[in-house]
Amino acid sequence: AQKITQTQPGMFVQEKEAVTLDCTYDTSDPSYGLFWYKQPSSGEMIFLIYQGSYDQQNATEGRYSLNFQKARKSANLVISASQLGDSAMYFCAMREGTSGTYKYIFGTGTRLKVLA
Amino acid sequence: EAGVAQSPRYKIIEKRQSVAFWCNPISGHATLYWYQQILGQGPKLLIQFQNNGVVDDSQLPKDRFSAERLKGVDSTLKIQPAKLEDSAVYLCASSRRDGSYNEQFFGPGTRLTVL
Repeated sequence: AQKITQTQPGMFVQEKEAVTLDCTYDTSDPSYGLFWYKQPSSGEMIFLIYQGSYDQQNATEGRYSLNFQKARKSANLVISASQLGDSAMYFCAMREGTSGTYKYIFGTGTRLKVLA
Repeated sequence: EAGVAQSPRYKIIEKRQSVAFWCNPISGHATLYWYQQILGQGPKLLIQFQNNGVVDDSQLPKDRFSAERLKGVDSTLKIQPAKLEDSAVYLCASSRRDGSYNEQFFGPGTRLTVL
């Protein structure tokens, strides 16, 4: 079974509008972390935002926010005021385990295209 | 702070040949990861080191892939012999053992093409 599911292979958004990229996860571990990474066409993976399973507040980092719904096991990324430079692949990832033995699992990604 | 370094950036080989990739993690990062990213897919963990010990190599095809991390710093990943399906980008990442996020920092990757 997929542990990280990203159901949107591709998304379009108009410049300056907000967009939500979906991510659902599956784990029985009570302690876990959720990450979003951006991968431009150049190939490097860029860390965007992190949400811990025990965090009460939704994470925010500038124009990025994470809509964390623990009961639904979803961790959607919201990008506000989209910019042309946001066009890239976006990966949701989950970290399970304990310090020193963490395991990371990535989803299949969503390709976002921002339109001028 | 210097990022994760990888070399070579690109490699083209014939099937059945061998190839090696090198990774230098961020200074002080105890954990090092090798991922395989096939075109159109997310990264798949091949092997994870904590210092110079292997934490997880459950998805490493051990009949042809090997990796080592001598002295707990640099690491090499080797494929011998290569198959067509090994064509992919090989990403190296590192993270601190103890940090608030333990986020992974990725290198630029090595794009391998097997002909």
